[in-house]
Amino acid sequence: DIQMTQSPSSLSASVGDRVTITCRASQIISSYLNWYQQKPGKAPKLLIYGASSLQGGVPSRFSGSGSGTDFTLTISSLQPEDFATYYCQQSYSTPHSFGQGTKLDIK
Amino acid sequence: EVQLVQSGAEVKKPGESLKISCKGSGYIFTTYWIGWVRQMPGKGLEWMGIINPADFDTTYNPSFQGQVAISADRSISTAYLQWSSLKASDTAMYYCARQGFGGYFDYWGQGTLVTVSS
Repeated sequence: DIQMTQSPSSLSASVGDRVTITCRASQIISSYLNWYQQKPGKAPKLLIYGASSLQGGVPSRFSGSGSGTDFTLTISSLQPEDFATYYCQQSYSTPHSFGQGTKLDIK
Repeated sequence: EVQLVQSGAEVKKPGESLKISCKGSGYIFTTYWIGWVRQMPGKGLEWMGIINPADFDTTYNPSFQGQVAISADRSISTAYLQWSSLKASDTAMYYCARQGFGGYFDYWGQGTLVTVSS
């Protein structure tokens, strides 16, 4: 199975900050990397698929990059509604494993 | 509008059986795989498995193989997750989600909380 490792596990930032979360796969997964946002008590929401494609309705301040084994999610200017937990997921081979999550909270 | 609506919260005793459901609407149910994701209290997301409602082809995470069963009924656009003998460690929120063509989950159900306690 492919292991997904996110860093950092938690992050404190302020409104307006630029934030980057990284995700590393234990083997090459091409661009089969997806990012989700989850707020407390809610289902996850797809933000980015295929490493860099923005899901419809997601604000353009979210962007994704990378291929192979190393990927990043960047939020260009944090908004109050962005404080949440973020997960990466590989969909290269089953089981389509998730990273452990990165909790982003207010500094 | 695509929607996945899950069945309500369940409280069960260890050893009991359970089947929870996920009804899709707003799209052709047999066109997309449906997956199940576990989230234990305070923990991350775990990919459990997926089913193709068109032919009932199913792929399980080895960690969940034999512990749960995933099924579907095309006639009512509904997928299921089933346990034959629950354990306390099955206590979690369970999400169903529609799998897009790149393997990502593009639409999610609201979640079903399963509590197993004696």
